[in-house]
Formats: sequence, structure tokens, C-alpha cells
Amino acid sequence: QVQLVESGGGVVQPGRSLRLSCAASGLTLTNYAMHWVRQAPGSGLEWVAVISYDGRIKSYADSVKGRFTISRDNSKNTLFLQMDSLRPDDTAVFHCAGSPDSAWHNFEYWGQGILVTVSS
Amino acid sequence: QSALTQPASVSGSPGQSITISCTGTSSDVGGGHNFVSWYQQHPGKAPKLIIYDVNIRPSGVSSRFSGSKSGNTASLTISGLQAEDEADYHCSSYTDSGGTYVFGGGTKVSVL
Repeated sequence: QVQLVESGGGVVQPGRSLRLSCAASGLTLTNYAMHWVRQAPGSGLEWVAVISYDGRIKSYADSVKGRFTISRDNSKNTLFLQMDSLRPDDTAVFHCAGSPDSAWHNFEYWGQGILVTVSS
Repeated sequence: QSALTQPASVSGSPGQSITISCTGTSSDVGGGHNFVSWYQQHPGKAPKLIIYDVNIRPSGVSSRFSGSKSGNTASLTISGLQAEDEADYHCSSYTDSGGTYVFGGGTKVSVL
């Protein structure tokens, strides 16, 4: 059974940093591109970033470019999202999602999500 | 990277069919690809992939769900509406903008 479990969320002040993790089980991450997708309260899903199976290719949404960094450690089957210069409009539930390496556009596996609240 | 446009809500009676639209631009939904997907999300749960590549159902997804695309608009049809279909539905598309992706605002489906 595939499980993606996010951790590292919480309440943080504007301008501060936070690092999210996504631990995978039942799934070999080296076969998957991995995404972060967020959902602000009462809103739809927003794609945040993607990283290739080997970590060499990364892409970001304009809203987070230059502030967020996606990375992965395949030896630990774990995905990360370093979030710097956080703003109140970054408040959201952050999901990690896995896509087959042949189809990055298919978000096949999802984690339950972790809440990040940016507030003073 | 503007969000795709979906109706905020759609409702129907049990057994009826409903269709949810997802409108983008020639840079995403209407681009030279079929990389449009649909996700079902029940309250407090993770999204679930129900349609990919415009009209393909993953294994285990009910045949009552079907997808299509015309120009810049993709559509999800739910036939034989059931109470368990009450959920939020999100569309997504690959975009031509530097290998990025975009979601719709989500549609709440209510079964009357």
C-alpha cells in the first residue's frame, strides 16, 4: 500500500522559514517525479513545484519562485520543500504528490497534506 | 499561470448525469497535448486521480466518470449520479510555460 506522509508544518511568522518533508512507503521514489501542491483555506488546488526522479530538473510556480526550493533524497525515500520568506498568502495545506516518470502531468499518488499557517 | 476556470458548484439528483467544465487557454488546456487530468476530493481527504490524458480512467475508477476536451475547455461527466459522488472535483493541465502545471478552482458537486 502506497503512503505519502507530510510533516514539518505549523505556525510561522511572516518572513521566516519552514522545511516540509514527505516520506514515502510502498513506493520507490526513484520511479517517480514528485510535486508539491497546496490548497489555501476554502480555495482550489495550486501547483507549487516539481522535481524529476533524479533531482536534476526542477520547476516552480511563479508565486513561489525564488523563495521555495524543492529537493529529494532517494536513499531515504523522502521529498522536501524548503520555504523561505514566507508570506501570509502562503497559508495552506501542502500536499506532496507522485507522478510516473513517463507522465509528470498525472498526479497519481497524494499525501493527506500538512497545514502551514503564516501569521504574526 | 492563471487558474483554470471551473463552476463553483454543480448539483444533480441521483441517477442523473452532470458535466463539469474546465476552461483554460491555448497555453494549457488548448495546447498541443492531451495532458488534462481530473481529481476527486472528499472533505478532509487527499485528492484522487479519476481521469488522465483527457479521457482515460485509471484502474478501479468507475466507468460512470468520463472526460473530453474541445478547444480550450475540458469536461468531466458523471453519469448515474450517486450519493458517494458528492465531493470536490479539480481539473489540471500541463502548461507551455516552462514545464509548469495549473489547476482549476475546484467544483463542489452536490447530490440532491
